[in-house]
Amino acid sequence: SQTIHQWPATLVQPVGSPLSLECTVEGTSNPNLYWYRQAAGRGLQLLFYSVGIGQISSEVPQNLSASRPQDRQFILSSKKLLLSDSGFYLCAWSALAGGRGEQFFGPGTRLTVL
Amino acid sequence: AQSVTQPDIHITVSEGASLELRCNYSYGATPYLFWYVQSPGQGLQLLLKYFSGDTLVQGIKGFEAEFKRSQSSFNLRKPSVHWSDAAEYFCAVGSIGTGGFKTIFGAGTRLFVKA
Repeated sequence: SQTIHQWPATLVQPVGSPLSLECTVEGTSNPNLYWYRQAAGRGLQLLFYSVGIGQISSEVPQNLSASRPQDRQFILSSKKLLLSDSGFYLCAWSALAGGRGEQFFGPGTRLTVL
Repeated sequence: AQSVTQPDIHITVSEGASLELRCNYSYGATPYLFWYVQSPGQGLQLLLKYFSGDTLVQGIKGFEAEFKRSQSSFNLRKPSVHWSDAAEYFCAVGSIGTGGFKTIFGAGTRLFVKA
């Protein structure tokens, strides 16, 4: 069966520090991968998605970036965090052929920027 | 452009009462529609989905949703709510484009269940 992992689960970082969040998927190949941010009391905002290694689409201009160095690894990064980067970050994957776009979410990372 | 509207930010129902969460979407073609549930501090879990066929779809945990093309709606229902249903619910619409499959989520409706 497929599983999706995210780490760390919780992170507290000072403003201006770098960020690296990692997401890995097991049990599937060639997944579509997604990064979402969920601010307190708000819905999900799609940040990045990827249909393959090295292929990244950005949805929202910001100081975040994403990379997909391996088929089942998706990394969210920042060189300098802002206060507004605080939120709950969710990674998800989908296999279009198998689930018509149904997404499977990781447990999330709670990021607090102070 | 695609959009999803969940008009109710939060809803409170009594345990055992029926539930309906509203969702309206904007999309040019026949959409892929989803309902997800999120417990506090956790990821989202799919409740049900609609792609085609029967407009009344059954999901997990006793939930169902009805696709009404004329109203651009995909409301979620449950005949009898349990305290464990307290969570946040997200309606979503998906589409396939040249860049892959994308899903747009509504802002969510938080469900409170009172004893």
